Amino acid sequence: AQSVTQLDSHVSVSEGTPVLLRCNYSSSYSPSLFWYVQHPNKGLQLLLKYTSAATLVKGINGFEAEFKKSETSFHLTKPSAHMSDAAEYFCVVSVGGNDMRFGAGTRLTVKP
Amino acid sequence: DAMVIQNPRYQVTQFGKPVTLSCSQTLNHNVMYWYQQKSSQAPKLLFHYYDKDFNNEADTPDNFQSRRPNTSFCFLDIRSPGLGDAAMYLCATSRDRNSNEKLFFGSGTQLSVL
Repeated sequence: AQSVTQLDSHVSVSEGTPVLLRCNYSSSYSPSLFWYVQHPNKGLQLLLKYTSAATLVKGINGFEAEFKKSETSFHLTKPSAHMSDAAEYFCVVSVGGNDMRFGAGTRLTVKP
Repeated sequence: DAMVIQNPRYQVTQFGKPVTLSCSQTLNHNVMYWYQQKSSQAPKLLFHYYDKDFNNEADTPDNFQSRRPNTSFCFLDIRSPGLGDAAMYLCATSRDRNSNEKLFFGSGTQLSVL
């Protein structure tokens, strides 16, 4: 079985400072891992995905994530937050088919 | 150039009155999913179609049904909506069911039950 734990339900940063959203996963198989972003009243948009290639994955809007098997983590980072980054972020683990597990989400607030 | 389109954007229905939400896609993807997302929660998978093959999640209530008349369209039918069914309903597609396939989401339909 697989599961995802997002360690922070809410993260608040100031504009221009780094962003760190934490995600730990559990999987019996080699998983694919994703980060999705959801702006208010919108659908989810893929930020990036890991599929057993490079462990450092670069995504859209300056986000990146590093897959660390030894720590079972897939944390999302961005060097400098922008006001438009304020949204809900979901970490997702998948082993295929309908077996895709969403984390509970992390709400990112960006202060001016 | 919307690829997964959900209509309507907002839907209001009455307690117990059947309601249908629609989803269409221009991606020609094999798989279409329906998720329920309640306020401040993660999306919860209700069911998915792999081509014409319907796959229901074990804990999806019988009150929720789905139809996929062709590749492009998929419908979510709620036979007797209850107050607890008020939520955002998200349609998503993927090319296949491999683990590395990303999902393409529509903007969702916000359902209110009065």
